[in-house]
Amino acid sequence: QKEVEQNSGPLSVPEGAIASLNCTYSDRGSQSFFWYRQYSGKSPELIMFIYSNGDKEDGRFTAQLNKASQYVSLLIRDSQPSDSATYLCAVNFLRPGNNRKLIWGLGTSLAVNP
Amino acid sequence: DTAVSQTPKYLVTQMGNDKSIKCEQNLGHDTMYWYKQDSKKFLKIMFSYNNKELIINETVPNRFSPKSPDKAHLNLHINSLELGDSAVYFCASSRQLLTPTYEQYFGPGTRLTVT
Repeated sequence: QKEVEQNSGPLSVPEGAIASLNCTYSDRGSQSFFWYRQYSGKSPELIMFIYSNGDKEDGRFTAQLNKASQYVSLLIRDSQPSDSATYLCAVNFLRPGNNRKLIWGLGTSLAVNP
Repeated sequence: DTAVSQTPKYLVTQMGNDKSIKCEQNLGHDTMYWYKQDSKKFLKIMFSYNNKELIINETVPNRFSPKSPDKAHLNLHINSLELGDSAVYFCASSRQLLTPTYEQYFGPGTRLTVT
């Protein structure tokens, strides 16, 4: 099993709809989870992070975390064409020596159609 | 007011050459990283420095050598470039490596093409 898995997509939704992006991870000890957005030819930029079970809302974005199921998702409400990008899930893994590093999924490509 | 900057933005070179990429952050962060993003868009960490000390050194060929002269700068030198080194290299920084919730901020990337 890959450490962080995402459906590569493309996920296509109409403008105004809710886009749902999913991510599963393998390490039960992971403590924090990040969603980044990457436009084509640009660098990843942070959307939000979550570390407690449940929902966390920030504007049109909601992150949902279920540690028992090792599952984190990102909901985008009222999707806009400008949301069309690749969404990367990153999980903070604790490594030997008490070091941490982010393990990244391959990303889900989202297309919002006008 | 660029937070994380990298130079050059594009780098085209021939196999066997040696090249360097420079990174600087003005965020006052303690930790800096080098990532490689290949053609399949997979983002993989290469190195991490915390307060100028190498913390993470992934399975990367020893042709790649990072150097951190101070905690605001992290450079990457690549010897004997190979075709497979072609990728986008991102520098990133965060406040602290050991705290789980600190996010990373990325530079604009350096697109390296080896011919």
